[in-house]
Amino acid sequence: AQRVTQPEKLLSVFKGAPVELKCNYSYSGSPELFWYVQYSRQRLQLLLRHISRESIKGFTADLNKGETSFHLKKPFAQEEDSAMYYCALSGGNQGGKLIFGQGTELSVKP
Amino acid sequence: DAGITQSPRYKITETGRQVTLMCHQTWSHSYMFWYRQDLGHGLRLIYYSAAADITDKGEVPDGYVVSRSKTENFPLTLESATRSQTSVYFCASSAPNQRETQYFGPGTRLLVL
Repeated sequence: AQRVTQPEKLLSVFKGAPVELKCNYSYSGSPELFWYVQYSRQRLQLLLRHISRESIKGFTADLNKGETSFHLKKPFAQEEDSAMYYCALSGGNQGGKLIFGQGTELSVKP
Repeated sequence: DAGITQSPRYKITETGRQVTLMCHQTWSHSYMFWYRQDLGHGLRLIYYSAAADITDKGEVPDGYVVSRSKTENFPLTLESATRSQTSVYFCASSAPNQRETQYFGPGTRLLVL
């Protein structure tokens, strides 16, 4: 079965500290992985996708097929990073359907 | 972001009533999606549509009906609302060449009493 697991409901760090939001997935084929973010009073939006191999707002995520993980990392957290983060999986040719994890709320304290 | 809108933004209804949530997008995106967001479950796909008159079930379709007579509209109907359908509902759309880059609406908060 396809599944995305984000084990932490809440992650609280201080400004300037490193951040790692965990995401593990279960999928038998070749998945595409994404991170979506929802800032306070804003809409859910795409943050990054693994195939782009890009850094957005200082965040990076590497797909580890051996560990079936796609953790989101940032070396120095900023207060404006506080938001709800969702990891999502697509099975390729499935009409754009995304399977989302439960979400992790990141709180960056001053 | 104003390209995809949802109405109403808030709705209170009673068990057994029919409720329709509206979704409208101005980008002519062919793909549209309905999700529900619940604590502990994240977002779960209810229905999606690849084009006008083409719809398919997602993960949790029971109790819901959709239609897509026009590309820009994708209404979601709860035929007989139940308390378990109390949730936040999000509509999203995407272009065919980047189906997973979904643009979300602001959401509709539905309370079923």
